[in-house]
Amino acid sequence: KNEVEQSPQNLTAQEGEFITINCSYSVGISALHWLQQHPGGGIVSLFMLSSGKKKHGRLIATINIQEKHSSLHITASHPRDSAVYICAVRGTDKLIFGTGTRLQVFP
Amino acid sequence: NAGVTQTPKFRVLKTGQSMTLLCAQDMNHEYMYWYRQDPGMGLRLIHYSVGEGTTAKGEVPDGYNVSRLKKQNFLLGLESAAPSQTSVYFCASRRLAGETQYFGPGTRLLVL
Repeated sequence: KNEVEQSPQNLTAQEGEFITINCSYSVGISALHWLQQHPGGGIVSLFMLSSGKKKHGRLIATINIQEKHSSLHITASHPRDSAVYICAVRGTDKLIFGTGTRLQVFP
Repeated sequence: NAGVTQTPKFRVLKTGQSMTLLCAQDMNHEYMYWYRQDPGMGLRLIHYSVGEGTTAKGEVPDGYNVSRLKKQNFLLGLESAAPSQTSVYFCASRRLAGETQYFGPGTRLLVL
């Protein structure tokens, strides 16, 4: 069993839909990261959080430390949100990555 | 400010050949990392460095060597390439412990 599990693996949505991507982990962490990997391959950090909730534009990330679970929400999804979303948890100096959720948003 | 850059972007090697991938960052970051990304798997850490002159093994270090002679550069070497090393390689850096990592654009390596 992977230490970081994401669901779903693949997600298709119509433009405007509300999107939720889930991340569960089984190790103790100091922080959790959400990353976005564009179709061209580049990886960008979206959020780093250790408790509660963070919001940036249409993206919202939440974490429940007791349940070892985090969610990434996208409101009013748009085709430009199409990407792979990666959850990663930080133990000590290193990150442990999930396998990613591939999101496709159609007009 | 170029951020994190990687050279080359794409390379084809024959089994047994050697090569060096270069990662450079202009943000004065202490920590640097080399990852590989394979289909169906999360990014896996190959080697990392917590400062100039230091390196450490990650999750999948076999077949790779690294050097951090200058703070801004982190080199990943393949002494004798194998088809199993066909992958996309990402470099990343961050300033301090607990901060966000910044990723390079990746190097696609094909070993025949």
